[in-house]
Amino acid sequence: NAGVTQTPKFRILKIGQSMTLQCTQDMNHNYMYWYRQDPGMGLKLIYYSVGAGITDKGEVPNGYNVSRSTTEDFPLRLELAAPSQTSVYFCASSYGRNWRAGEDEQYFGPGTRLTVT
Amino acid sequence: LAKTTQPISMDSYEGQEVNITCSHNNIATNDYITWYQQFPSQGPRFIIQGYKTKVTNEVASLFIPADRKSSTLSLPRVSLSDTAVYYCLVGDMNRDDKIIFGKGTRLHILP
Repeated sequence: NAGVTQTPKFRILKIGQSMTLQCTQDMNHNYMYWYRQDPGMGLKLIYYSVGAGITDKGEVPNGYNVSRSTTEDFPLRLELAAPSQTSVYFCASSYGRNWRAGEDEQYFGPGTRLTVT
Repeated sequence: LAKTTQPISMDSYEGQEVNITCSHNNIATNDYITWYQQFPSQGPRFIIQGYKTKVTNEVASLFIPADRKSSTLSLPRVSLSDTAVYYCLVGDMNRDDKIIFGKGTRLHILP
């Protein structure tokens, strides 16, 4: 299994440009997540999905959009990029076991380092 | 609010046992406690998880007292490769705060 894969690894965007960060998992996990991590900080949840066709906002959803048309893929769309979106973006997935009690274990991808100038 | 508090940073030496304590005073009855490890330029990796008492795996031990208001991650005989950030999570997707990764504890292992 490749686990969770993310593309691209690095990207530089100009202010106002748009892009899609790709995330794919091959573990047949129902749950998928997008986080951002600013330098020296913890991870903040952007969006998550509990299954194909279902998405919900996390702590910092503004400026981002997601879709979940298949179990495997969970792309993150940035519209009108801003310098405040410069960050490292991590995608994760999990089975969703006893999810509401936090028993679930998340598997993370390698991250996408995005710079907006 | 399932908020956690852990030390910002810790230093230790190779071969020592390292204990990192996390406070979670408002833990809910059903909440599990999970620890992740993150190396620079990598995504976090699951280390260990528990609900009560003690859990041990090949990497670490997790000690949880009866009141569950804190937990301690124990890393036996650390090496330089254990230098990383360690996050304590008490997740509960029922609440508005969703999943909370704090700043974690930066563990620096010295030779």
